[in-house]
This record gives sequence, structure tokens and C-alpha cells, in this order.
Amino acid sequence: EVHLLESGGGFVQPGGSLRLSCAASGFTFRNYAMTWVRQAPGKGLEWVSIIGGNGDSTYYADSVKGRFAISRDNSKKTLYLEINSLRVEDTAVYYCARDPSFYGSGSLDVWGQGTTVTVSS
Amino acid sequence: EIVMTQSPATLSVSPGERATLSCRASQSIRSNLAWYQQKPGQAPRLLIFGASTRAIGVPARFTGSGSGTEFTLTVSSLQSEDIAVYYCQQYNNWPPITFGQGTRLEIK
Repeated sequence: EVHLLESGGGFVQPGGSLRLSCAASGFTFRNYAMTWVRQAPGKGLEWVSIIGGNGDSTYYADSVKGRFAISRDNSKKTLYLEINSLRVEDTAVYYCARDPSFYGSGSLDVWGQGTTVTVSS
Repeated sequence: EIVMTQSPATLSVSPGERATLSCRASQSIRSNLAWYQQKPGQAPRLLIFGASTRAIGVPARFTGSGSGTEFTLTVSSLQSEDIAVYYCQQYNNWPPITFGQGTRLEIK
């Protein structure tokens, strides 16, 4: 069964950092681009970042550019999101999702259950 | 950036009736549109991609249509388990990938 499991969320003060992880199983991880999407409390979905299957290509939303870094370890079948200089407005559930294309098509066919990041003083 | 606008914000439909949800793109996205269903407390789930292709396991009562800038998701006969928020998403011009603000589908 195809499965994504996020971890690493938590409570952090403004300016702090976290590293989110997304463990994949049930499919050949290296063949797929992967994406992070977030959802602030009571709000809609916001695309955050995408990484190609071999990790060479990465893209970010303007709201996180320069503060967030997406990466992957295909040997461990794990996707990461390093989030730095956290702001209150970064508070959200962070979902990882699979893109059905190696280079990234933009559609998202499998989602994890999410991990919650709360930024507050 | 392509802006996606969904209407209505909330839709109330009686069980067994048809529900029609709309999504408009600020410029043409051809057929590069997906629909997602998000039930309370759950992650989103892919329903439709390519504007009209149902994802694996999606019931036939869900139908996507449209191209260019105007798109529709139709639920032909509303079931109680269809209560959710539905999001459209464009993946024609990215980054950024953009979502609509969602339509909440309720039982009347």
C-alpha cells in the first residue's frame, strides 16, 4: 500500500527552526517528484515547495523562499523540509504529497496525514 | 501567478440531489486542473486530474468537466459521505502551484 508519514512538527518560538520528515513506503520513491503543502488553521491549502525525483530541481512559494529548504534522501525513501526563521504565519498543518511525475507535473496523487507546526511566543 | 476562484463558498444540497461546484482560472490552464476532497480532520484526497479523469477508487458519481478557464465538479447524487471541502488546483503554469479557496459542501 502506498503510504506517506510525516513527522517533526511541534511548538516553536518565532525565529526558530524545525526539520520536517516524510517517510514513504509502497512505491519506488526515487521515481516521483514530491511536494509540501500547508494549511493554516481554518484556512485553505497553500503549496510550499516541490522537488524532482533526483533532487536536482527545487521550487518554492515566494512566502517561504530563502527560509525553507526541501531535500530528499532516496536511499532512505524520505523527504525533508527544513524550516527556518519561523513566523507566526507559518503555523499550519504541513502535508507531504506525491507528484505522479519524476520531474513534477503539479498534480498530487497521494497525501500524508500531516504534521502540525505551531509558531508562538 | 494564476488565481483560482471557486464558487459558491458553501453549497447545501439534499441527499440524492445533484451538486455543482465551479472553479475559474485567471488565465487559461488548458486541462491542467485537479479537484481534491478534504473531509473534516483528514488530509486532502485526489478526486479528479486532467480536469475530467477520476483518480483510482473515486466513485462514478463524481464528474469533472471544463477546459481553459472554466471548470465544474459535479456530484450526481449526493451521499452523506460526500460532505467535505472541495478544492480545485491548477498545475499548468507553475511555480507556484495554486489552489482555489475551497467550496464547503453540506447536506440540506
